[in-house]
Amino acid sequence: GENVEQHPSTLSVQEGDSAVIKCTYSDSASNYFPWYKQELGKGPQLIIDIRSNVGEKKDQRIAVTLNKTAKHFSLHITETQPEDSAVYFCAANNYGQNFVFGPGTRLSVLP
Amino acid sequence: DAMVIQNPRYQVTQFGKPVTLSCSQTLNHNVMYWYQQKSSQAPKLLFHYYDKDFNNEADTPDNFQSRRPNTSFCFLDIRSPGLGDAAMYLCATSRDQRPREETQYFGPGTRLLVL
Repeated sequence: GENVEQHPSTLSVQEGDSAVIKCTYSDSASNYFPWYKQELGKGPQLIIDIRSNVGEKKDQRIAVTLNKTAKHFSLHITETQPEDSAVYFCAANNYGQNFVFGPGTRLSVLP
Repeated sequence: DAMVIQNPRYQVTQFGKPVTLSCSQTLNHNVMYWYQQKSSQAPKLLFHYYDKDFNNEADTPDNFQSRRPNTSFCFLDIRSPGLGDAAMYLCATSRDQRPREETQYFGPGTRLLVL
């Protein structure tokens, strides 16, 4: 079955700097890769996703890149703000199967 | 407007006393999921419904049951809660597994405390 690893487990950056979180997956058949942001005491919220036919996707300060050959994908947050502080989860999904989540990254943006 | 609603947000129960958590959705999605999330961990899928078809994960304890009386509502029943069942319970929906509409939308969660 699918296995998703995520690094780093914790990340601290200064406000205004960039943050990068990386995930690797094991099942080459996986074709959908969402990223979720979870604030304390709340449910995960989808912030961006990418499908296997695309190498990069951007939405304002957030971007995701996918390397299918290497089986890894990354979340990039530029110009970080204190409200970006949260736990971020990546996930991988094979058409028709259930999500496999990474273990999460706790991002702290220091003012 | 809230699309996936969970009630209650906080639930306190006693060891061994049955408890029911509820989830409703306004998205008219075919698939509804229940996840368990413990502190500092990723959500763990318990089961999901594709329409009325129930799909249980292999490692979900028998203590956990679910009902989906209609498209909009789904319930999680914990028959005899133990201390280890204290967690955040998340409901999620997705439009369909066919064709390729895999995006899952999560509710705010219900935090369960077992005394």
